[in-house]
Formats: sequence, structure tokens, C-alpha cells
Amino acid sequence: EDQVTQSPEALRLQEGESSSLNCSYTVSGLRGLFWYRQDPGKGPEFLFTLYSAGEEKEKERLKATLTKKESFLHITAPKPEDSATYLCAVQGNGNNRLAFGKGNQVVVIP
Amino acid sequence: DTGVSQDPRHKITKRGQNVTFRCDPISEHNRLYWYRQTLGQGPEFLTYFQNEAQLEKSRLLSDRFSAERPKGSFSTLEIQRTEQGDSAMYLCASSRAAGTLQETQYFGPGTRLLVL
Repeated sequence: EDQVTQSPEALRLQEGESSSLNCSYTVSGLRGLFWYRQDPGKGPEFLFTLYSAGEEKEKERLKATLTKKESFLHITAPKPEDSATYLCAVQGNGNNRLAFGKGNQVVVIP
Repeated sequence: DTGVSQDPRHKITKRGQNVTFRCDPISEHNRLYWYRQTLGQGPEFLTYFQNEAQLEKSRLLSDRFSAERPKGSFSTLEIQRTEQGDSAMYLCASSRAAGTLQETQYFGPGTRLLVL
């Protein structure tokens, strides 16, 4: 069964203080690893898809990287509007469902 | 371009009542998924459709839950004889996929259910 573990569960950052979120996964053949952002009371908003080890993707202050066992979401010089829960999910070979972690809750303090 | 829409956004019901939720996917998306999310947890897969065919159901989906996607467009999720443990956010997602090609699932705003 595909499994995802995210750490830390919660993180408080000062505005401008860069940090990284970790997503460790076990899957029987990776079709894709996905990062979503979720604001309170809303549905997950798609950020990135990574397909193979070594791949990197960037969007504004966010950068996602992938190895064979884990993915990192780097937040560079965060702003208060980056406060959210970041969800990591994997899709394994032969599966169409996504398996999610519990999320990294990030609060950026002005 | 409209995204995935869900209706209602909030539902309060009494234990034992039936409820039905609707999801309208992004147009031309052939796959539609239902997930459930409780507080502090990530979404959990419930079921998915490719066009009008329901291809997979999670063991989380008890016989009180039923989903349909008539004509391969919108979908409904019905919960019969609701229980307090059914209280959660019900999320719908859609994607455009063919064969084993890579796909991205886009989520709707969710329906928050509270069972009293």
C-alpha cells in the first residue's frame, strides 16, 4: 500500500526565513508525486507534479525536488500569504488514486 | 475556464438522514474522483469514475455510500442513514487522462458535512 509521511507537522516561520518541508514515501513504482496547497475550509490547490528522481520544479517562492525516497518543498523568503497546509501525495503504478500525507501546516509571521 | 464545482458547500443533517452531494468536473475531464478529509488528516480516496464507469471503490466506502456518474458528466455521492462518524469534508477531483499517461487531479472546494 502506498504511504506518505510528511514532516514537520507544523512550522512557524518569520517572514523571510527560508525553510524546507519533507515528504517521505513508499510506493510500488512511482507514477507521480504531487504537491498541493490547502487553505482552511477550501479544497487542495495544485502546485507541482514530479515524475522522476532528480526532477525539480519552481513557482514563485516554492521549489519542489524529488529523490527515490522523498521529496522536499523549499520555501524561499516566505511571506504571510504563504501560510497554508501543504499536502504531498503519490500515485503508484497501477493506481489512479492519490495517497496523501497528513500535511505540513505552515504559518508565516510578519 | 471554470474549475471543479461542488454543491452544497455546507450540509448539516441529523443522524439517520440521507444526504446527497453533487460534483461538476472540469469540462472534458474524463476521470472523476471522490475523497474524504477529516480534521488534521490528508484526503482519503473513496471512489473514482472513468467516464460513466465506476472503476474502483475503497474499502472505506461502506454500503451506506453510493456514487453515480450518469452520462459521464456530473457525479453524485449519496450517504444513507448518516452517522456522526460521517462528518468530514467531501472532496471531488477531476482529471483528463488516457491510458497510462501522466495525469493531474484538480480539486473542487469541497462539501463540509456535519452530522448531529
